[in-house]
Amino acid sequence: NAGVMQNPRHLVRRRGQEARLRCSPMKGHSHVYWYRQLPEEGLKFMVYLQKENIIDESGMPKERFSAEFPKEGPSILRIQQVVRGDSAAYFCASSPMTGARMATNEKLFFGSGTQLSVL
Amino acid sequence: DQQVKQNSPSLSVQEGRISILNCDYTNSMFDYFLWYKKYPAEGPTFLISISSIKDKNEDGRFTVFLNKSAKHLSLHIVPSQPGDSAVYFCAASRKRGSQGNLIFGKGTKLSVKP
Repeated sequence: NAGVMQNPRHLVRRRGQEARLRCSPMKGHSHVYWYRQLPEEGLKFMVYLQKENIIDESGMPKERFSAEFPKEGPSILRIQQVVRGDSAAYFCASSPMTGARMATNEKLFFGSGTQLSVL
Repeated sequence: DQQVKQNSPSLSVQEGRISILNCDYTNSMFDYFLWYKKYPAEGPTFLISISSIKDKNEDGRFTVFLNKSAKHLSLHIVPSQPGDSAVYFCAASRKRGSQGNLIFGKGTKLSVKP
């Protein structure tokens, strides 16, 4: 009974490199959300994806950040040309919500996160 | 501009006593509120929620109270247990079904002493 799987757990990058964070949702879940937690802060919404579609990217920085959730395989959060300010914990969550009914969509199931450290 | 505020970064309580965690919000459009618990090196896990049409929701040792006029909610844990020691996040959504776009507070670290 695997939960939301994120890898790697820890990722170290030098400034200017690319970071790729992966997320496999819970079995049966087709909705994925990415959140970022900066030090001493709460989690902040970044993007919501369904298979092959970006539904809401209102929390994504305009540059260097992108996300995808292909038909096959995990969701990927990609950060190009990382800077020190990108250092944070990145959490992925999934939900079983389907269609427009979202009775329990807020009960997101979170992964353990990827801790990104930019040197 | 923080829309969800948890003004106490930490709280220490004796085992068996009541823990009260507080949360304030500024956006009157929020109509659904949740509490998540987070252990170190793990993701947040859902604890309890409340809709704005209610003022109380109870689940076992956990009760959430909502005061809409004051834009305040609180989580009561009674009796508190050492295993409750974690960071508790308050979260809100603008409408039921906001598609996973939750607004989180900064969290309160609860320590329950044996």
